[in-house]
Formats: sequence, structure tokens, C-alpha cells
Amino acid sequence: EVQLVESGGGLVQPGGSLRLSCAASGFTFSDHYMDWVRQAPGKGLEWVGRTRNKANSYTTEYAASVKGRFTISRDDSKNSLYLQMNSLKTEDTAVYYCARERVGYYYGSGSYYPYYYYYMDVWGKGTTVTVSS
Amino acid sequence: EIVLTQSPGTLSLSPGERATLSCRASQSVSSSYLAWYQQKPGQAPRLLIYGASSRATGIPDRFSGSGSGTDFTLTISRLEPEDFAVYYCQQYGSSPPFTFGQGTKLEIK
Repeated sequence: EVQLVESGGGLVQPGGSLRLSCAASGFTFSDHYMDWVRQAPGKGLEWVGRTRNKANSYTTEYAASVKGRFTISRDDSKNSLYLQMNSLKTEDTAVYYCARERVGYYYGSGSYYPYYYYYMDVWGKGTTVTVSS
Repeated sequence: EIVLTQSPGTLSLSPGERATLSCRASQSVSSSYLAWYQQKPGQAPRLLIYGASSRATGIPDRFSGSGSGTDFTLTISRLEPEDFAVYYCQQYGSSPPFTFGQGTKLEIK
């Protein structure tokens, strides 16, 4: 079964740090781009950031609201995605979801090549982060 | 950054009726990189539609998506009790940032 399970949420004071983890199972984690999306209480969804795969140099991109404070990383050997959150603000209070971007493959010139669809097809259940004094 | 505006904010309908949800982008969405998600209280979002009009695996055919450029629509042909939820559109692609609409709440009338 394809699954994403987030952990590491909790209560932290403003200015503090927290590291979230996302454990993947049931698929070839290393092939996929992975994202973090958050949802503040009673609000809509906000994209936080993305990491590409090894074939694309593990490059990362972030929303302006978290750039310079949050860092996304991954450990393909452990099928895990991480979100290091520093200098936390009260407005970072949210449920944090990890999500997988779909990848497919096409055959050409004797080899299989990845095709990146870019949409998020699998989501975890989320972990709650509360930033409060 | 592309801003997505969903309308209406709340839609009140009865089971068996047809629902039409709108998503308008502030600039053209390239390659129809537009998705729709359903979210129920306390649950993660669930992918319904990608590429503006392709249904995700396991999604009933009463859900359909259409549109291109800046105007997109999610249609639910005959509402079932389990369809009452919040629906989000999202633009995605190779170059972030990715943005979501503010959501449309579909409630039972």
C-alpha cells in the first residue's frame, strides 16, 4: 500500500525550531519529487516547498513565506522526507502534510525515461505544529 | 505568482443535484496544469482531477473537470451524500510557487 506518514509535530515557542519527518512506503521513493503543504486552522491549503529527486540534483524550492527559515531535505536510503523549521512564527501554526508528485515512465531509444506529472497524487494524514508562547 | 479565485465560496445543494464549481486564474495556467482536490473535515486532501480534465485513479465518473487558460470548472453531475466537502483547485508545474484557490464549501441544503 502506498503510504506517507508524517511525524514530529508539537508545541514550540515563537523563534524556536522543529523538524518534521515523513516516512514513505509502498513505492520507489527515490524516483519522486516530494512536497510539503500546510493548512492553518480553519484556513485553506498553502504550498510550502518541494524537493526534486537525485536525477535532478535534489534541488529545492520554497514559498516566499518560509524561504530562508525552512529547509526541505530527504534521505532516499531511509525513504524519508524532512522539513527543518527555524525561526518559527505564530503564523506557522498549521497541519503540515507531505505529498508525492506523480512520476511515470516512457520507453524510447532502448531505455525507460521518467515523465514528471508534477501534480500531488498521494498525501499523508498530516502532523500538527503549534507555535505559541 | 498565479492567484486562483474560486467561486462560490459556499454552495448549498441537495443530493441528486448538479454542482458546478469555478476556478479563475490571474494569468494563464500553462499546459493546463490545474488540479482539483476534495477535503473532508479532519482528512488530508484527495486528488480528484489533474491536467484540468483527467480523473485520478478511483474517482467516480460523476466528477468531471473542464477549462483551459484562466477559467476552469469542476462539475459533479449527481451529488451523493459523501460529496459534501471542501473543494480546492491548484495550479502546479515545473516552476513553483504552486498556489491553491481559497476553496469552495459544498454543503447540504
